[in-house]
Amino acid sequence: GQSLEQPSEVTAVEGAIVQINCTYQTSGFYGLSWYQQHDGGAPTFLSYNALDGLEETGRFSSFLSRSDSYGYLLLQELQMKDSASYFCAVRDEGGGFKTIFGAGTRLFVKA
Amino acid sequence: ETGVTQTPRHLVMGMTNKKSLKCEQHLGHNAMYWYKQSAKKPLELMFVYNFKEQTENNSVPSRFSPECPNSSHLFLHLHTLQPEDSALYLCASSGGGDAYEQYFGPGTRLTVT
Repeated sequence: GQSLEQPSEVTAVEGAIVQINCTYQTSGFYGLSWYQQHDGGAPTFLSYNALDGLEETGRFSSFLSRSDSYGYLLLQELQMKDSASYFCAVRDEGGGFKTIFGAGTRLFVKA
Repeated sequence: ETGVTQTPRHLVMGMTNKKSLKCEQHLGHNAMYWYKQSAKKPLELMFVYNFKEQTENNSVPSRFSPECPNSSHLFLHLHTLQPEDSALYLCASSGGGDAYEQYFGPGTRLTVT
């Protein structure tokens, strides 16, 4: 079956760096995305990797290794507002729109 | 605001009721999606429409009936639902082709009694 695995919870302190891993097993692969969702809010797009390597967007970076079917989201200089759920998602068709999401990682940032 | 609106935000319905969820996007996108989000489970893709044509139906029970009259509007018609259908229903949109970023609405919290 198709699945994405990510840790259910991560806890870190303000100012720290945290890495959220995602491994995937899908029939196709056309990119790994990350979304953030605060309690009661809608998922919002953070980053996308189609090719191997690191993509940096401000305090957030995302990495992809297609040979390992693995990626991660790196959050630096953690702030309390970063407490949220983070989802990885794989688009498994090139011209289509089928997207498979992981169950999400709940990040708790402590003072 | 993401440019995707959903109504109602909360809905409580009995198993014999018929109701509809509405989604509207103001982003000029071509593709629209329905997702189901249950606690501690991955977002489940239900349906995808591209230029009003359904491109994905992820084995969704027939008690959920989507409708896409144009590229800006998407409906989910509900009838004879089960308590396990209680969840957050999210609508999303994206550009066509290789556009990968999806914009989500705030969702409708559905409770089936």
